[in-house]
Amino acid sequence: ETGVTQSPTHLIKTRGQQVTLRCSSQSGHNTVSWYQQALGQGPQFIFQYYREEENGRGNFPPRFSGLQFPNYSSELNVNALELDDSALYLCASSHASGRPDTQYFGPGTRLTVL
Amino acid sequence: RKEVEQDPGPFNVPEGATVAFNCTYSNSASQSFFWYRQDCRKEPKLLMSVYSSGNEDGRFTAQLNRASQYISLLIRDSKLSDSATYLCVVENTGNQFYFGTGTSLTVIP
Repeated sequence: ETGVTQSPTHLIKTRGQQVTLRCSSQSGHNTVSWYQQALGQGPQFIFQYYREEENGRGNFPPRFSGLQFPNYSSELNVNALELDDSALYLCASSHASGRPDTQYFGPGTRLTVL
Repeated sequence: RKEVEQDPGPFNVPEGATVAFNCTYSNSASQSFFWYRQDCRKEPKLLMSVYSSGNEDGRFTAQLNRASQYISLLIRDSKLSDSATYLCVVENTGNQFYFGTGTSLTVIP
């Protein structure tokens, strides 16, 4: 196991609602990245947080936002949910630069938007 | 154009076969390259980094061709346990990481 945990495991929401997903990083890691993985697709980079500041962002609208806390746990918030937001949301924790070879993924949260 | 493109497969090969996956990337300034493995309904796990000089880890060999913006993964002597989706990953500037759609491999007894 990687030591990265995510909650909840599964979630069902309706269009227009807001959702908060949570990630607890591996001990000693100060960087967290969030990804969206739609069915049959590879993970899409949403954004990365390093020491509580956003440190890189993919091609996602502002209604996708995040937070990183002093203990390096993290939240992904999505406002005004759309049907296409249905996906597996993965967080990955790492140390320092956040290079993929040091990223450890959590098991993901599967979000269904009806 | 997508940042990273992979043939989605599926690749169905017999045990013991050699199989190769290819991946192309669009940003010539990309800095780092990796292969990840993802089992069904599980999170991706790092398989190996890809270096310009090529690198090998047991039955797995990765190659990078910066001039052609092309990455490959070769699996020799395929095992049943190699069945998974293989994801090509590229890191661009600004700590942005891009995954391909993945290539599905099934190794058949």
